[in-house]
Amino acid sequence: GEDVEQSLFLSVREGDSSVINCTYTDSSSTYLYWYKQEPGAGLQLLTYIFSNMDMKQDQRLTVLLNKKDKHLSLRIADTQTGDSAIYFCAEKGAQTSYDKVIFGPGTSLSVIP
Amino acid sequence: GAVVSQHPSWVICKSGTSVKIECRSLDFQATTMFWYRQFPKQSLMLMATSNEGSKATYEQGVEKDKFLINHASLTLSTLTVTSAHPEDSSFYICSARGDRAYSPLHFGNGTRLTVT
Repeated sequence: GEDVEQSLFLSVREGDSSVINCTYTDSSSTYLYWYKQEPGAGLQLLTYIFSNMDMKQDQRLTVLLNKKDKHLSLRIADTQTGDSAIYFCAEKGAQTSYDKVIFGPGTSLSVIP
Repeated sequence: GAVVSQHPSWVICKSGTSVKIECRSLDFQATTMFWYRQFPKQSLMLMATSNEGSKATYEQGVEKDKFLINHASLTLSTLTVTSAHPEDSSFYICSARGDRAYSPLHFGNGTRLTVT
């Protein structure tokens, strides 16, 4: 079945760039998403990218998609302590149920002051 | 825009009682809503897909008689945990999707359920 994988932990210093990586198996993925979850809260949509795009930039966030390798990354420039959270990669594929979104396990980002 | 409101944010109940959690889309119509369960330090587990005006679709292993879902309008879905037991204690999160193919999921802030 479809699967999404991420490294579980990432630690960076404040002011540096963070890069969170994600791989997925569904070659028919149509949309890929990045969500942020702060402790005790729901998920906040950060950004999403269509599968026919290679890159999307939104302020400090840059999403890169390598469809051939089924690899998605989220780069956070000038990482701040407020960026500490869990980041979930998610994908929606044409092969899955129309509404079903598959989530990765989440990457816990720690920002060191 | 695209705000999803979930209530209550936390609830403590005794074993054997039922608890209802509400999920509302505040500024858009949600033809489809989803209910997730999240264990500590784990990802989201999809429990069921709720479609307005029809029966919910439950994922394998989720007891439909225990987790009752009602999606009576385009802006409201409810999850009722019936005869709750301590093992039902968890973080429950709802999400809603608009009516366009590329509409992303928008999440509520979750409900922390503790069953004593």
